[in-house]
Amino acid sequence: QKEVEQNSGPLSVPEGAIASLNCTYSDRGSQSFFWYRQYSGKSPELIMFIYSNGDKEDGRFTAQLNKASQYVSLLIRDSQPSDSATYLCAAVKAAGNKLTFGGGTRVLVKP
Amino acid sequence: DAGVIQSPRHEVTEMGQEVTLRCKPISGHNSLFWYRQTMMRGLELLIYFNNNVPIDDSGMPEDRFSAKMPNASFSTLKIQPSEPRDSAVYFCASSPLSSTDTQYFGPGTRLTVL
Repeated sequence: QKEVEQNSGPLSVPEGAIASLNCTYSDRGSQSFFWYRQYSGKSPELIMFIYSNGDKEDGRFTAQLNKASQYVSLLIRDSQPSDSATYLCAAVKAAGNKLTFGGGTRVLVKP
Repeated sequence: DAGVIQSPRHEVTEMGQEVTLRCKPISGHNSLFWYRQTMMRGLELLIYFNNNVPIDDSGMPEDRFSAKMPNASFSTLKIQPSEPRDSAVYFCASSPLSSTDTQYFGPGTRLTVL
């Protein structure tokens, strides 16, 4: 079992709709969680991070964390074609420790 | 402010040759990470440095791989001898020591070993 699991997709979403991405992790010692976006042929870029249970909003993005269920999600509201990319979930056990990435979910936003 | 700089951006070499990838982290960042990305294995951490000192090299696949960070502004990842299975995109990332989980990635080096 991989430490961080994501559905590879593609997740097809109509423009303007909400894209919902899921991520599960196996290590209960994981403390912090990160969402990176990676366009084809480009490097990953950090979208947002979450440390505490609950929701965290940043613009059109909302990260949700449920440590009891070992589950992290990312919602993209009002999806745009420019949101079409692969989204990587990552976990870290403790501050200053290394990130473990999931395989990524490919999102396609159709006009 | 310049981001993480990697060179070369593309490298094509023949099996058995030595390959050296280079990275310049963001100025002021004390942590540096080398990753490898393939379709099959995704994004994997190979090694990371704090203040130029290697902290964790457990992701380095085998002795053919080595990494150095002689100073705060330069790091190399060397593969000798290279093999076709080393073909991948190699990313370098850096972060402030105070928040090593918020990493900034370079553009990557696409390595093809024939």
